[in-house]
Amino acid sequence: DAGITQSPRYKITETGRQVTLMCHQTWSHSYMFWYRQDLGHGLRLIYYSAAADITDKGEVPDGYVVSRSKTENFPLTLESATRSQTSVYFCASSELMTSGAFYNEQFFGPGTRLTVL
Amino acid sequence: AQTVTQSQPEMSVQEAETVTLSCTYDTSENNYYLFWYKQPPSRQMILVIRQEAYKQQNATENRFSVNFQKAAKSFSLKISDSQLGDTAMYFCAGDLNNAGNMLTFGGGTRLMVKP
Repeated sequence: DAGITQSPRYKITETGRQVTLMCHQTWSHSYMFWYRQDLGHGLRLIYYSAAADITDKGEVPDGYVVSRSKTENFPLTLESATRSQTSVYFCASSELMTSGAFYNEQFFGPGTRLTVL
Repeated sequence: AQTVTQSQPEMSVQEAETVTLSCTYDTSENNYYLFWYKQPPSRQMILVIRQEAYKQQNATENRFSVNFQKAAKSFSLKISDSQLGDTAMYFCAGDLNNAGNMLTFGGGTRLMVKP
């Protein structure tokens, strides 16, 4: 399927376990992002990537690890899950183009609801 | 620091009427981009409208328009002829640091359109 997909859509895990959330996009966009959505906070950026093998921290990176060995994939790993990481996680991608102006719409995946017990 | 603030946690409007959602932001940049995203119960994030700060003209997309006040750092969304399908969370967001595509989101406004 074309677009951006996330898996799993729902995940329940226990405190201390490692969890990996997957994100895959078919547009060959350069940029990919991970956000978390919590009530009252909107979406907050966890990590982003400008290209394969280039990643950088966002607003709330603690407790998370990312990698990007291929342009189309951007997995997010919680190395030791905590209850505070219970959230909805969104992956997004975009392409930064210049033609006199930047065009930087971000396209979002459907989200993964993660519950840490 | 770049911030985006939505001061209305919840709003409601009667079907076919007009509603305005407020958003303010803070940035020291002169060129930046502002967005409104819609999130229906399906949870999918859908771009509603985009505004480029260097453009004076307010963006419009069918029933959706914005009132962009650069000096006041205000970016409100007007929905005309509200429809039941407009019921959703609405997020104001900005690419405010002109450093390549990172969005800062407001806390959201939950809009209910009543029949």
